[in-house]
Amino acid sequence: QQQVKQSPQSLIVQKGGISIINCAYENTAFDYFPWYQQFPGKGPALLIAIRPDVSEKKEGRFTISFNKSAKQFSLHIMDSQPGDSATYFCAASGGSNYKLTFGKGTLLTVNP
Amino acid sequence: IAGITQAPTSQILAAGRRMTLRCTQDMRHNAMYWYRQDLGLGLRLIHYSNTAGTTGKGEVPDGYSVSRANTDDFPLTLASAVPSQTSVYFCASSGGPAERYSNQPQHFGDGTRLSIL
Repeated sequence: QQQVKQSPQSLIVQKGGISIINCAYENTAFDYFPWYQQFPGKGPALLIAIRPDVSEKKEGRFTISFNKSAKQFSLHIMDSQPGDSATYFCAASGGSNYKLTFGKGTLLTVNP
Repeated sequence: IAGITQAPTSQILAAGRRMTLRCTQDMRHNAMYWYRQDLGLGLRLIHYSNTAGTTGKGEVPDGYSVSRANTDDFPLTLASAVPSQTSVYFCASSGGPAERYSNQPQHFGDGTRLSIL
């Protein structure tokens, strides 16, 4: 049973556009929702994270939107740049399951 | 530079052979994790350790074993490699109190690319 569902699998955006990646979770005990960014040949690196006591968190061009009632959260990348081209993973943890459960990833390509 | 070191970076291995992937962290993190990454399947947890001397099974533990003799090292062993274990393996660590690791960011190494023939 996949506890974190991520979409789309791949995304192509033009430079300057907005990239949006969505995730949905099932476990209501989850209380930590990070996003990781992975470049080819490298390990994932924490990009931004949110807790369910806020509906939005913004760091530079990256924003997480969180909808607790719908059990959904999304990553928005404003003014997308070719350097943002990478694989993005959402994840969740919380309650007795403190280990991270990852989505299957989204390959983002930003065309110049 | 502080972080996680994984070795080897890549390996080709004959089926049936024994292999140990090494992972060392210098951040004094309590918790460590091993994941495998496969195309279309994302990151799946193999084993984890909350603190030195303890280990636990993740989502896909079969065919793998781990040990945690000290804080810094967390080796992953394939006792008898099979082709389905061909994957990219990532080690990660996170800090925080031993009782709760939620809300702690995980720091990843750059992976070991393992091919089993």
